[in-house]
Amino acid sequence: QVQLVESGGGVVQPGGSLRLSCATSGFNFNDYGIHWVRRAPGKGLEWVALVQYDGSDKYTDSVKGRFSISRDNSKNTVHLHMNNLTAGDTALYYCAKAGGSYVHYFDYWGQGDLVTVSS
Amino acid sequence: EIVLTQSPNFQSVTPKEKVTFTCRASQDLGISLHWYQHKADQSPKLLIKYASQSISGVPSRFSGSGSGTEFTLTISGLEAEDAATYYCHQSNTLPYTFGQGTKLEIK
Repeated sequence: QVQLVESGGGVVQPGGSLRLSCATSGFNFNDYGIHWVRRAPGKGLEWVALVQYDGSDKYTDSVKGRFSISRDNSKNTVHLHMNNLTAGDTALYYCAKAGGSYVHYFDYWGQGDLVTVSS
Repeated sequence: EIVLTQSPNFQSVTPKEKVTFTCRASQDLGISLHWYQHKADQSPKLLIKYASQSISGVPSRFSGSGSGTEFTLTISGLEAEDAATYYCHQSNTLPYTFGQGTKLEIK
């Protein structure tokens, strides 16, 4: 069955960095994009970033220049590198599988990993 | 960026009732609008893709309709397990965006 498991979250000081990972299984990883979606405390869902099946990447404006998404096809894993973190980045971060190579609804989600930015 | 506005923000209903949520988009989405259910301490779950297409394993009481800038999610014959927050999401234009969510309470 399809599984996505996030790791790497934790507490980091403002201005610090963190790398989230999303380990996947149960589907042909090379054929699908993987997204990161976050939910800040008391707020709704926010799309953060996408790495397409071909490795190309897209970001929401608030993280451009600070976050970088990459994929390792040999390990069926996606990474989200987060730099210059601020309190506004505090959230539960989910990785989610795209519904197809060219379609971007999210048909499977991980359980989420908490990132807390605090001094 | 495309703004999705959901209404209502909150609704409280009794079991077996029918409820309809609305999602309005600031630009034409065609049918690139999807619905998710998010329960506390769980991952979001895809309910409807492309406005009205059903998802395997999702109960048939969940249905969607609409196109362009106005979309609806209907839940018929509500059950206690349907208590959750419901989000619409557009994949027509980057950056992808979500509505602010509708919280459903079952009395």
